[in-house]
Amino acid sequence: DAGVIQSPRHEVTEMGQEVTLRCKPISGHDYLFWYRQTMMRGLELLIYFNNNVPIDDSGMPEDRFSAKMPNASFSTLKIQPSEPRDSAVYFCASSLFRDRGDYGYTFGSGTRLTVV
Amino acid sequence: RKEVEQDPGPFNVPEGATVAFNCTYSNSASQSFFWYRQDCRKEPKLLMSVYSSGNEDGRFTAQLNRASQYISLLIRDSKLSDSATYLCVVNPRGAGSYQLTFGKGTKLSVIP
Repeated sequence: DAGVIQSPRHEVTEMGQEVTLRCKPISGHDYLFWYRQTMMRGLELLIYFNNNVPIDDSGMPEDRFSAKMPNASFSTLKIQPSEPRDSAVYFCASSLFRDRGDYGYTFGSGTRLTVV
Repeated sequence: RKEVEQDPGPFNVPEGATVAFNCTYSNSASQSFFWYRQDCRKEPKLLMSVYSSGNEDGRFTAQLNRASQYISLLIRDSKLSDSATYLCVVNPRGAGSYQLTFGKGTKLSVIP
């Protein structure tokens, strides 16, 4: 299995530009999560999907952020317009939840975003 | 009170030492608990789940104390390769919810 694949690995953009981050979850996984990591705040959940449907987006910081999952094998996180305070590492993770409740996430390698 | 709290460290220990990390969580309804490991500039990776009865995986032992709402991780015979940040992870909303909350991590450096 190729694991969770994120692109791009690094993104440097100017303030005000649109940024699109991409994620391909592990085939067969039914949950997909977007997290953001900074030194100050650690890992923060932004939004998660179950079977392509957004379940909880309460972690999305503001309207500049949006996420979609058009099918089981692809998701995007978009920031428009971007601001310097959006600079962080953005992780996508996927998981398959089993009845016995023993589950864990598999993370992608992350996208390191720098907004200048 | 934060949902998941950890001592950030760093813990600097010599090779071969035993080191223990603790983590506290705020929601007594939490059902699932994990330890993740994150190497510098890498993604978090699942180290082990934490069961009510405790569990052991080689040199690693995890314990859960529901009454006091804390989780522990014990590493015996530390190796240089154990140097990483260890994240305590909790399902804060209990059964039926699959989102996980991550602590900010405890940094471990194993010194030759």
